[in-house]
Amino acid sequence: GEDVEQSLFLSVREGDSSVINCTYTDSSSTYLYWYKQEPGAGLQLLTYIFSNMDMKQDQRLTVLLNKKDKHLSLRIADTQTGDSAIYFCAESTGTGGFKTIFGAGTRLFVKA
Amino acid sequence: EAQVTQNPRYLITVTGKKLTVTCSQNMNHEYMSWYRQDPGLGLRQIYYSMNVEVTDKGDVPEGYKVSRKEKRNFPLILESPSPNQTSLYFCASSFASGRVMIQETQYFGPGTRLLVL
Repeated sequence: GEDVEQSLFLSVREGDSSVINCTYTDSSSTYLYWYKQEPGAGLQLLTYIFSNMDMKQDQRLTVLLNKKDKHLSLRIADTQTGDSAIYFCAESTGTGGFKTIFGAGTRLFVKA
Repeated sequence: EAQVTQNPRYLITVTGKKLTVTCSQNMNHEYMSWYRQDPGLGLRQIYYSMNVEVTDKGDVPEGYKVSRKEKRNFPLILESPSPNQTSLYFCASSFASGRVMIQETQYFGPGTRLLVL
């Protein structure tokens, strides 16, 4: 079945760039997402990319998609302590993108 | 204020005692969905609904029921809860146009933490 995998932890220094990686198995994915979850809170959609795109940039966030290798990454430039959170990669499958598969989440620690 | 609300936020119950977790959104969204979050597993989709009276199974529907009688509400029903349904549950909603979800309109509720003894 479909699967989404990501590393569990990442630690960076404040001001550095963070790169969170994700691999997925379903080649028919329509959308790929990055969500942020702060402690005790629900998920917040950070950004998403349509499966026929290679890259999307949104202020400090850059999403890169390598469809051949089924690899998705999220780069956060100038990482701040407020970026400390769990980041989930997800893919949607099927017509319309209604069915969603999530990764286990990467916990980002930002050291001051 | 645009929001997705869930009630209750915390619930402790016993095996077999039917319960309902409510989810309500005030944005007139067509699409609603339920997820459970467990450590090391991320979120797994339980059920989703593309519009009133239209529901479909996600990845882990066993032991759960849903209904979508009106657009704003999407309750999650556990007819006979078991300890393996102890989890953190999230409801989400977004606009959908035709049969396509409008991605950037997604909102998540604050979560319901359920403990089944």
